[in-house]
Amino acid sequence: DGGITQSPKYLFRKEGQNVTLSCEQNLNHDAMYWYRQDPGQGLRLIYYSQIVNDFQKGDIAEGYSVSREKKESFPLTVTSAQKNPTAFYLCASSLQGARNTGELFFGEGSRLTVL
Amino acid sequence: QKEVEQNSGPLSVPEGAIASLNCTYSDRGSQSFFWYRQYSGKSPELIMSIYSNGDKEDGRFTAQLNKASQYVSLLIRVSLPSDSATYLCAVNTGRRALTFGSGTRLQVQP
Repeated sequence: DGGITQSPKYLFRKEGQNVTLSCEQNLNHDAMYWYRQDPGQGLRLIYYSQIVNDFQKGDIAEGYSVSREKKESFPLTVTSAQKNPTAFYLCASSLQGARNTGELFFGEGSRLTVL
Repeated sequence: QKEVEQNSGPLSVPEGAIASLNCTYSDRGSQSFFWYRQYSGKSPELIMSIYSNGDKEDGRFTAQLNKASQYVSLLIRVSLPSDSATYLCAVNTGRRALTFGSGTRLQVQP
């Protein structure tokens, strides 16, 4: 079955630690995205990548880093510079080019809690 | 002004009634529009997409788009308790990624 797999589902981090959230897709989608969601809030764009080896900052990129070495994978690192990292993190993907209607397909999410 | 605005709710409707959810957007160049349903603690799932003015029906759901007035709405007919969730409006401006509203929480009372 095609889909997006995020891991881990739950993660606890001590202050000052970096953590990496994994996102893998087998939908053959070109574009991948990371969103952050806080309680009672919508989704805010952290980073996105439209092609391998290229990515752009979203609205709240400070304190985060990404890489896109393979089409299937788009990991997100939450660094110690992120002041308030406790949130629900959602990875998504979409088609690109003329076929792109903008529809996003989401993974199940990763919930990060800073202790 | 937020790019995509929704009333946060909660919107409470009795079971069997029609639920009406509204969304306004600021970018006149927006090209496609989506409604996602999100249950508590889960990821969003797409329930409707609409690309041109007018109505689009899919089962109990109807999406309505009015580009001149820059609003998009979602009607849920014969509401069920299982429809209780947060509904996110998302807009594709063609620039980069979907822009989401903050969501409207719907409660369907049995």
